[in-house]
Amino acid sequence: DAGVIQSPRHEVTEMGQEVTLRCKPISGHNSLFWYRQTMMRGLELLIYFNNNVPIDDSGMPEDRFSAKMPNASFSTLKIQPSEPRDSAVYFCASSLTGGLGDTQYFGPGTRLTVL
Amino acid sequence: AQSVTQPDIHITVSEGASLELRCNYSYGATPYLFWYVQSPGQGLQLLLKYFSGDTLVQGIKGFEAEFKRSQSSFNLRKPSVHWSDAAEYFCSNYKLTFGKGTLLTVNP
Repeated sequence: DAGVIQSPRHEVTEMGQEVTLRCKPISGHNSLFWYRQTMMRGLELLIYFNNNVPIDDSGMPEDRFSAKMPNASFSTLKIQPSEPRDSAVYFCASSLTGGLGDTQYFGPGTRLTVL
Repeated sequence: AQSVTQPDIHITVSEGASLELRCNYSYGATPYLFWYVQSPGQGLQLLLKYFSGDTLVQGIKGFEAEFKRSQSSFNLRKPSVHWSDAAEYFCSNYKLTFGKGTLLTVNP
């Protein structure tokens, strides 16, 4: 299996621009998670989906962030407008069922730099 | 709030030495606990997880962890560290709350 695929791997943009991060989960996995990793705050869960439906978005920082999962094989995380404090590594992960003990498989991450 | 704490930000050990990385959790009932490893530029990979039963859990790459309710701990151990174990290690709970991570440096 190809694992979780994220694109782009690196993104550099200017403040105020729209940024779209993409994720393809492992085929057959029903749950998808978006995380943000920074030095200051560590790894934070932003949102997770189960069967393409958002279950918990309480970690989404503010209205500038939005996530969609139009089908089982694709999800996007959008930031509009972007700000320098959004600079971080964004990870996507998927799991088979999303259950309590289910193993999450992480993608390689997208390193976002907002100038 | 349910949380996990990793008290050590950075640990350095010599290759071949034993290793113990600490993780403390706050939760009343039996928690679900996980250890992940992150190599530079990579995503996280699951090393092992604990739900119930035997308190000593075996994982991949020769790692093990012991759940101790009396100490609210779930420490990760390895008897003999290899240079390839140099990475950052994260403890997490079932609420998908992660510790801040422990960076492991391995000296030759």
